[in-house]
Amino acid sequence: EVQLVESGGALVQPGRSLRLSCAASGFKFDDYAMHWVRQAPGKGLEWVSSISWNSGNIDYADSVKGRFTISRDNAKNSLYMQMNSLRAEDTALYYCAKVSSGGYSWWFDPWGQGTLVTVSS
Amino acid sequence: SSELTQDPAVSVALGQTVRITCQGDSLRTYYASWYQQKPGQAPLLVMYGKHNRPSGIPDRFSGSSSGNTASLTITGAQAEDEADYYCNSRDSSSKHYVFGTGTKVTVL
Repeated sequence: EVQLVESGGALVQPGRSLRLSCAASGFKFDDYAMHWVRQAPGKGLEWVSSISWNSGNIDYADSVKGRFTISRDNAKNSLYMQMNSLRAEDTALYYCAKVSSGGYSWWFDPWGQGTLVTVSS
Repeated sequence: SSELTQDPAVSVALGQTVRITCQGDSLRTYYASWYQQKPGQAPLLVMYGKHNRPSGIPDRFSGSSSGNTASLTITGAQAEDEADYYCNSRDSSSKHYVFGTGTKVTVL
């Protein structure tokens, strides 16, 4: 069974840092790009960041560029997000997702259950 | 950056057909993927590519695309289809991934 399990979410003060992890199982992790997507309470989905299979291509949403760093360890089947200079607007449920592509199409499947980050003093 | 616009809410009578649309310039270049999200759950992929349905998704879900609009149609909506639905595609210029604004589907 393909499974993604996020961890590391917490209540943190503005300006502080946090590191999220996503443990993958059930598929060949180093064959796939991985992404982080977040959802603020009561709001829609927002793409945050992506990393290619070999970490050669990395991208960020403008809202987190310069503050967040995505990384992966293929030997450990794990994805990470280092979040620095956190702001109240970063409060959200953070999902990791495996992304496949083909023929001008990309799809996020599966998703983890999410880990909650709350930024508040 | 590119935006993907969806109607905020639609309703459908049990057993009837509902179409959810997603509009954006990037859809002239890329196909959309569609996600169903029920309260307290992670999003679930229900459609991708030209008209590909993942294993386990009922065949009452279908997808189509024309110009700058992608559509997800539920033919014979069931009570369990009540959820939020999001489209996703890729911005043609920035190559960033973009989610639609979301549509809440209510089954009456």
